[in-house]
Amino acid sequence: DSGVTQTPKHLITATGQRVTLRCSPRSGDLSVYWYQQSLDQGLQFLIQYYNGEERAKGNILERFSAQQFPDLHSELNLSSLELGDSALYFCASSPQGGVGEQYFGPGTRLTVT
Amino acid sequence: GQSLEQPSEVTAVEGAIVQINCTYQTSGFYGLSWYQQHDGGAPTFLSYNALDGLEETGRFSSFLSRSDSYGYLLLQELQMKDSASYFCAVGGSTLGRLYFGRGTQLTVWP
Repeated sequence: DSGVTQTPKHLITATGQRVTLRCSPRSGDLSVYWYQQSLDQGLQFLIQYYNGEERAKGNILERFSAQQFPDLHSELNLSSLELGDSALYFCASSPQGGVGEQYFGPGTRLTVT
Repeated sequence: GQSLEQPSEVTAVEGAIVQINCTYQTSGFYGLSWYQQHDGGAPTFLSYNALDGLEETGRFSSFLSRSDSYGYLLLQELQMKDSASYFCAVGGSTLGRLYFGRGTQLTVWP
């Protein structure tokens, strides 16, 4: 158990819908990362927050957005969902946000039908 | 851009030693990490090399050569529970974002 929690564990929704994935980092970690893992794209970095502010952006679609709240939990919002958005979404956290060990949550498996 | 190359599959028997290689091309380099992922599970950190040389943690060792843009993960005394996917990942800046390879599926046979 990494100490990072993610909800929900599974999510099934229809195309065109909007969903919110939630992540609570390890106690004391200031940085949160979101990754998407799919069979064809592998594990891809989406976005990083540090102490409430966006710090780095990867291949995140405009239909996706995220935020980190004052209590440091983070949410990833996915809208106008397409079949291709079906994937495992992982949240990770680290103490300061530099390179080195990142602690991954159990993931949310999103299925878009 | 960033690219990381690692073998897609490796097989070995219990008790053996296996080496998983990773070559990378990145515009910035801030260390090479290795993660283990069991089917359906979360990636778990194994090791991190910022400088050239070998880092040893129990049965696992990791090596980095920055001049060759190359690293490897060495797994010794293989156990059945080591069957998993292994990912190399490069830090492309000091910010912490990681670029992951496509993963190497390790199968350990009894």
